[in-house]
Order: sequence, then structure tokens, then C-alpha cells
Amino acid sequence: DAGVIQSPRHEVTEMGQEVTLRCKPISGHNSLFWYRQTMMRGLELLIYFNNNVPIDDSGMPEDRFSAKMPNASFSTLKIQPSEPRDSAVYFCASMPGLGPQHFGDGTRLSIL
Amino acid sequence: KNEVEQSPQNLTAQEGEFITINCSYSVGISALHWLQQHPGGGIVSLFMLSSGKKKHGRLIATINIQEKHSSLHITASHPRDSAVYICAVPRGGGGADGLTFGKGTHLIIQP
Repeated sequence: DAGVIQSPRHEVTEMGQEVTLRCKPISGHNSLFWYRQTMMRGLELLIYFNNNVPIDDSGMPEDRFSAKMPNASFSTLKIQPSEPRDSAVYFCASMPGLGPQHFGDGTRLSIL
Repeated sequence: KNEVEQSPQNLTAQEGEFITINCSYSVGISALHWLQQHPGGGIVSLFMLSSGKKKHGRLIATINIQEKHSSLHITASHPRDSAVYICAVPRGGGGADGLTFGKGTHLIIQP
């Protein structure tokens, strides 16, 4: 089992640029979660999908953030335009039914 | 929304000591998660439990649903146990919810 795959692992870009983070969940998992981790706020839920449908996006900080899950094997988190305060580690996780969540290795995002 | 409190925030101990990390939450839940994160590393799920006790190697997790409290114990601690341990619960209490996390316990085990 390949685990949850996130790309890129690291991203450095300038303020105002569009950033796209990608996630491939574990096959057969029907829930997918996007989390953000910062020193100040710790880990926070941004959005989650169940069977490719967004269920709760109340954690998405602003309209600059959007997430999609066009099929069961792929999700994206997009930030447009990016700001320095968006710098964080972004984790994707997937879950089979009601089992434990499996986390990807994260994307370390730096906005200059 | 569930609130999660962990203690202690930081813990330094000597190799071989018995370690206890505590977690309390505010809203009834279907299950509680214990996670481990090494510095600069990814997040690994250690336990998901809804009642009683679970054991995996030197790690033991217990939960008291009535008191809304869980503990993570490490027996015969080793320097490789040094990591951040995070307690998490479903935001709305249900099993398929996104998680709300405690602030984590930074554990250092000295040889």
C-alpha cells in the first residue's frame, strides 16, 4: 500500500502567485481531509470530503482557498492569490469508513 | 465544536521511565485518536479508541468516556520515543468528521 501521496513536498513561491497542492488518497478510502499546521495554531481542519463530496469547508480561511475532489483518487487545494501568512505545512489524510486517518507526508509551503 | 486539552505541554524524562500524557475533551465522541509526529516529520496514527484500553508494544492508550478523558502511556521509554504526541477527536463527535487536535505534548527521552 503506497499510503497517502502529496505533492509537492516543498513549495517556495512569491506572494500573489497561485499555489496548487495535490493529494492522492489510499485506494478504497472514502473520506479525504485537508489540514494545515502552523506554530501558532497547531493542526487545523480546512475541509473534508466524503465520497468526493465536500462536507465541511468551515475551516477554509478565506475565499482565496479552494479545494476540489474530481474523483476518488485525486484532490487539490488551491490558494490564489497566496500571502505570506499562508506559509505552513499542509497535510492531506484519508480514511476508510470509520477507521483511523492516514496522513500524507505533508507539503511545506513558504510564501515570500 | 469539541475542545481538546492536553497535558503536559512539554515533558523531559530519562530512558526507562514510565510516561503518561493526558487528554480531555468537551463533547461526547465516537472515538479518540492518538497521533505521533517526529520533528520535521509526518503524522502517524498510534491508536483510535472508543472505550477501554488498547496496547501496541510499549504504548498503552486508555479512555474514560463518562469523564471525557484519555491517557497515553509509554512503558520503558527510549530515546526513539522522543516526538510530539497529539490527541485528536472528531469535531462534531461523529466518526467520519474531520478532527480537532490538542496542542500536542513535546516528549524528550534522554539516554
